[in-house]
Amino acid sequence: AQSVSQHNHHVILSEAASLELGCNYSYGGTVNLFWYVQYPGQHLQLLLKYFSGDPLVKGIKGFEAEFIKSKFSFNLRKPSVQWSDTAEYFCAVNRRNTGFQKLVFGTGTRLLVSP
Amino acid sequence: EAGVAQSPRYKIIEKRQSVAFWCNPISGHATLYWYQQILGQGPKLLIQFQNNGVVDDSQLPKDRFSAERLKGVDSTLKIQPAKLEDSAVYLCASSLGGGRGTDTQYFGPGTRLTVL
Repeated sequence: AQSVSQHNHHVILSEAASLELGCNYSYGGTVNLFWYVQYPGQHLQLLLKYFSGDPLVKGIKGFEAEFIKSKFSFNLRKPSVQWSDTAEYFCAVNRRNTGFQKLVFGTGTRLLVSP
Repeated sequence: EAGVAQSPRYKIIEKRQSVAFWCNPISGHATLYWYQQILGQGPKLLIQFQNNGVVDDSQLPKDRFSAERLKGVDSTLKIQPAKLEDSAVYLCASSLGGGRGTDTQYFGPGTRLTVL
């Protein structure tokens, strides 16, 4: 069965620090990869997604993620975080080209950015 | 554009009672999802509808959980009877349903269920 691992459960950074959140998945076939974010008091929303092509994907609010197929990884990065990036971040994966799109989520990483 | 609506936002019940949650997806979205998110975990898919048909309910505890999507729009999720371990946030999401797994899912605010 598919699984998604997010290694850091809690991350605390100061403003302007660089961010990298790890995500690894277990499925060996062709996958679609997503990062979702939940800001305090808000709904889960899409940050970015990767299907094919350039493995470096850019999302909203200056976030990017790199797909490394050989490492089954899809790490999220941001060069300089802001206080407003405080949120919980979820990596998610599903299989491509199947009849339905069951999305498997990781356990999430809570990011706290101190001003 | 109106987002995914859910109600109620909070519900407290005692074990063995029943409870129902309602979801109204974004207009025009063919696919509707119900997720369970236990504290400290990521969302887990319970059931997925394509229009009014079920395409995946493999993780739905069918002895106590049921869901329906009449007319391919609104959906209800019911738990009867509830157990302590059902305490969680129940999320509804919807997507256009274009296939290949590339859809963006749009999530509602969730219903926080506490079973005492």
